[in-house]
Amino acid sequence: DAGVTQSPTHLIKTRGQHVTLRCSPISGHKSVSWYQQVLGQGPQFIFQYYEKEERGRGNFPDRFSARQFPNYSSELNVNALLLGDSALYLCASSYDPMNSYEQYFGPGTRLTVT
Amino acid sequence: GESVGLHLPTLSVQEGDNSIINCAYSNSASDYFIWYKQESGKGPQFIIDIRSNMDKRQGQRVTVLLNKTVKHLSLQIAATQPGDSAVYFCAETVTGNQFYFGTGTSLTVIP
Repeated sequence: DAGVTQSPTHLIKTRGQHVTLRCSPISGHKSVSWYQQVLGQGPQFIFQYYEKEERGRGNFPDRFSARQFPNYSSELNVNALLLGDSALYLCASSYDPMNSYEQYFGPGTRLTVT
Repeated sequence: GESVGLHLPTLSVQEGDNSIINCAYSNSASDYFIWYKQESGKGPQFIIDIRSNMDKRQGQRVTVLLNKTVKHLSLQIAATQPGDSAVYFCAETVTGNQFYFGTGTSLTVIP
């Protein structure tokens, strides 16, 4: 079975541009969480979606938004990119975060903002 | 300005020795903890978890210990192998909809 998949693997953008990152969860998993990992630090929570509803939001500006589709895949959107948005963006999926907290990560999308 | 990453704690062990990686968590209300392994260029990989109603949990070659009194978590790896070289993170959550990760520890296994 395929694990969590993310696209693209790498991305280079210019300050002020917009970016969309995509995630497909493990088959049967209904929840997706997004994390930002800056080099040398642990992942920081951005959003969690379950059954297409936002269940959690971390301390990130409104430039960051996300959504989950009926097939449980998800998009993370970042507007007006800043240099500090350069990071590895990780997606994690879980079956039912209401009853099981186990989550599994994808390989991430490496975003570089120049 | 440009952010600067924190310097990761490091641990070097000889192949075959046991490793102990420590983590201090922040929220006394956290009731679920996970240890992750992250190899270079990859996403974090689930190793083992523990709920707050337990003090110890064992997996294959790994043991997690939880001390709620001092908010401390440890990961013990038995007979450490070169493939165990990676960065290890602990993560905590209260409700399961938001996980908080520690800074991480870089483990290097010397053959």
